[in-house]
Amino acid sequence: AQTVTQSQPEMSVQEAETVTLSCTYDTSESDYYLFWYKQPPSRQMILVIRQEAYKQQNATENRFSVNFQKAAKSFSLKISDSQLGDAAMYFCAYRMNRDDKIIFGKGTRLHILP
Amino acid sequence: DTAVSQTPKYLVTQMGNDKSIKCEQNLGHDTMYWYKQDSKKFLKIMFSYNNKELIINETVPNRFSPKSPDKAHLNLHINSLELGDSAVYFCASSLGGRQNTGELFFGEGSRLTVL
Repeated sequence: AQTVTQSQPEMSVQEAETVTLSCTYDTSESDYYLFWYKQPPSRQMILVIRQEAYKQQNATENRFSVNFQKAAKSFSLKISDSQLGDAAMYFCAYRMNRDDKIIFGKGTRLHILP
Repeated sequence: DTAVSQTPKYLVTQMGNDKSIKCEQNLGHDTMYWYKQDSKKFLKIMFSYNNKELIINETVPNRFSPKSPDKAHLNLHINSLELGDSAVYFCASSLGGRQNTGELFFGEGSRLTVL
């Protein structure tokens, strides 16, 4: 069965600094998608970034980028120039291409220190 | 316009009662989901429907019954509520299928508290 592991329950970073959130996953599939979702205190789940497994190039969205290491089954999220509004729970998620089931890691709570 | 909307957003009820949460999406998506988020923030998939057909049914007690009258709606009915059912329930939708990235679009969640 596929699993997603986020080994850091909580992290803190100084405002304007860079932070990296870790995610590893376990799968025997070769065709899949990976996602990072953000859940601020408002509770709304927001897609931050996605990565197709067949693409070697790491996805980037403004201050958010990923380090996708397919062989190592690692998918970390880097947040540059951290802002107070980045404070949230961050969830790593995995989806096989051959079905619609999306499974989530347990999340990392990110604190931004002013 | 809210893309995925669920009602009610808050629900407080007594143990043993029956309650329903409704979900509607106006994105034209084929696939809809129910996820449960417990007090530790763990998100667990419960059900998924594609074009009104049940395709994912995780190990969920029979007291939980999803119903999809059409592909834009997916409701969740819970019978004989128990204390452990207290959680935030998220509805989500996606395009689904092999040709799409399958990212989820979430509703705002429905916080259920069972007393």
